[in-house]
Amino acid sequence: KNEVEQSPQNLTAQEGEFITINCSYSVGISALHWLQQHPGGGIVSLFMLSSGKKKHGRLIATINIQEKHSSLHITASHPRDSAVYICAVTQGGSEKLVFGKGTKLTVNP
Amino acid sequence: SAVISQKPSRDICQRGTSLTIQCQVDSQVTMMFWYRQQPGQSLTLIATANQGSEATYESGFVIDKFPISRPNLTFSTLTVSNMSPEDSSIYLCSVTKAGGAGGGYTFGSGTRLTVV
Repeated sequence: KNEVEQSPQNLTAQEGEFITINCSYSVGISALHWLQQHPGGGIVSLFMLSSGKKKHGRLIATINIQEKHSSLHITASHPRDSAVYICAVTQGGSEKLVFGKGTKLTVNP
Repeated sequence: SAVISQKPSRDICQRGTSLTIQCQVDSQVTMMFWYRQQPGQSLTLIATANQGSEATYESGFVIDKFPISRPNLTFSTLTVSNMSPEDSSIYLCSVTKAGGAGGGYTFGSGTRLTVV
């Protein structure tokens, strides 16, 4: 079974700061997903990665397959970025997601 | 990507009663999943809803407690039966069209359930 570890568990930043959230996993994967969950409970998919790097607006996601590690970066953070960010992976031929415990980000104005 | 309408968004229920949660997808999808998120915890997969056959339940979850229907490729329901306060959680459905490696996932907006 894949173990997905995220760090930090909680993160508080000031508006404008550069944010990094880390995710590591124990077994080879087919894809890694970064998800965003707002206080209401709904979840939005931010990125799906199997290699390299992806960018969308102020969000950047990278993955190092050899090191079994991914990072989510937020540039010029804003209070509306406050949410729980969840890393999840799929492996082999399974469509089941294995989730990390999430990182709660609070961005203060 | 698919769009999911999940209802209800929240409910407060009496112990011993049942609640049925619905997810309607705007397009046909291959895989549909139901998750529970207990307070302060990450998501736990309850079951995979299979079209035209019985759902596949994860360890610790049983059909009598969480009956699931999936009559077609765009709709599914999850019922939380004989509720107790320990069932207070957020319940979410999720779909993927092409599978985990080939496609992304879309999540419903969640149902926040409080059992009193």
